[in-house]
Amino acid sequence: KAGVTQTPRYLIKTRGQQVTLSCSPISGHRSVSWYQQTPGQGLQFLFEYFSETQRNKGNFPGRFSGRQFSNSRSEMNVSTLELGDSALYLCASSLPTGTGSTDTQYFGPGTRLTVL
Amino acid sequence: AQKVTQAQTEISVVEKEDVTLDCVYETRDTTYYLFWYKQPPSGELVFLIRRNSFDEQNEISGRYSWNFQKSTSSFNFTITASQVVDSAVYFCALSSFQGAQKLVFGQGTRLTINP
Repeated sequence: KAGVTQTPRYLIKTRGQQVTLSCSPISGHRSVSWYQQTPGQGLQFLFEYFSETQRNKGNFPGRFSGRQFSNSRSEMNVSTLELGDSALYLCASSLPTGTGSTDTQYFGPGTRLTVL
Repeated sequence: AQKVTQAQTEISVVEKEDVTLDCVYETRDTTYYLFWYKQPPSGELVFLIRRNSFDEQNEISGRYSWNFQKSTSSFNFTITASQVVDSAVYFCALSSFQGAQKLVFGQGTRLTINP
């Protein structure tokens, strides 16, 4: 079974631009979560989508948004890029279980975004 | 609020030594999950283990073992007979038992195994 895929793997943007990152979950997984990883702040939760609805959101400004499509693929968008948005953006997918309990998240390789 | 602390920022050992990575967590939840992930230089987080708060039995998988102690809020990870391929950053993480597919990560421990 193919793993989580993320495109593109690398991006270079300039301040003020916007960017869209894509994530395809493991086949059959319906939940997609996004995380930002920086040397200073570590791994931080951005948001989670399940059945095309945002279920959870981390403490990030409104410039960070996302969506999920009917095939469970997800995109995240960052508008008006700032230097501090330079990071590795990781996507993770999980089933989750029918009982509603938290399921294991499997991560993709990430998109490394550099803002100049 | 949930919090995970990995006090060891970096560890360097010689191949074949045993090494233990510490993880201490804080949560008000009575039920929760704990995880360990490995991040090699390629960047992808690789899932290693998930334990629920009901089960305090230690677990062994090959050279890897995990010691979960609810009384001290710790979930430590030991690699026996370390190998160079074990070099990576290791993250401990915590999530609620239900609903939120949200992981709270520790800051990670960079493990270097020298030949």
